Amino acid sequence: DSGVTQTPKHLITATGQRVTLRCSPRSGDLSVYWYQQSLDQGLQFLIQYYNGEERAKGNILERFSAQQFPDLHSELNLSSLELGDSALYFCASSLLADNEQFFGPGTRLTVL
Amino acid sequence: AQKITQTQPGMFVQEKEAVTLDCTYDTSDPSYGLFWYKQPSSGEMIFLIYQGSYDQQNATEGRYSLNFQKARKSANLVISASQLGDSAMYFCAMREGSRYNFNKFYFGSGTKLNVKP
Repeated sequence: DSGVTQTPKHLITATGQRVTLRCSPRSGDLSVYWYQQSLDQGLQFLIQYYNGEERAKGNILERFSAQQFPDLHSELNLSSLELGDSALYFCASSLLADNEQFFGPGTRLTVL
Repeated sequence: AQKITQTQPGMFVQEKEAVTLDCTYDTSDPSYGLFWYKQPSSGEMIFLIYQGSYDQQNATEGRYSLNFQKARKSANLVISASQLGDSAMYFCAMREGSRYNFNKFYFGSGTKLNVKP
């Protein structure tokens, strides 16, 4: 158990819908990262927050947005969902902005 | 060009033997960090080892060591005395940029390791 929690574990929804994925980092970690893992794209870095501020941005679509709250938990919002958004979404956390990351169990999103 | 290249989609190793998983990277930034992660069939991602670009010595963590050859831009993972529980997908990753000012992370396509009894 990495100490990072993600909810929900599974999410099934329809195209065009909007969902929110939630992540609670390990106690004391200030940095949160979001990743998407799909069969065709592999593991893609989406975005990183450090102590509430956006720190680095990867291949995140404009339909996706994220934020980190004062209590350091983070949410990833996915809107206007498409079939291709079906993937495993990981959250990871680290103490500082660059340390090794500890991954949560992931949220498996299925868009029908 | 690919930032992280793992050329071995799948590998087999006999239990108790050592195995090397290859990883090459591409960056022009003098500051970067290299990581290896393990993903068992259960799906979670497990951090194994980290090497900074300025680290003089190869990183080691228990049975894992990172063979860092900076001039060749390679960061191979060596697993000694393989165990059945080592069967998993292994990902090499790179943080491009310094510890305090970096851009993003890149992951390779992974190597599936199967340990045979």
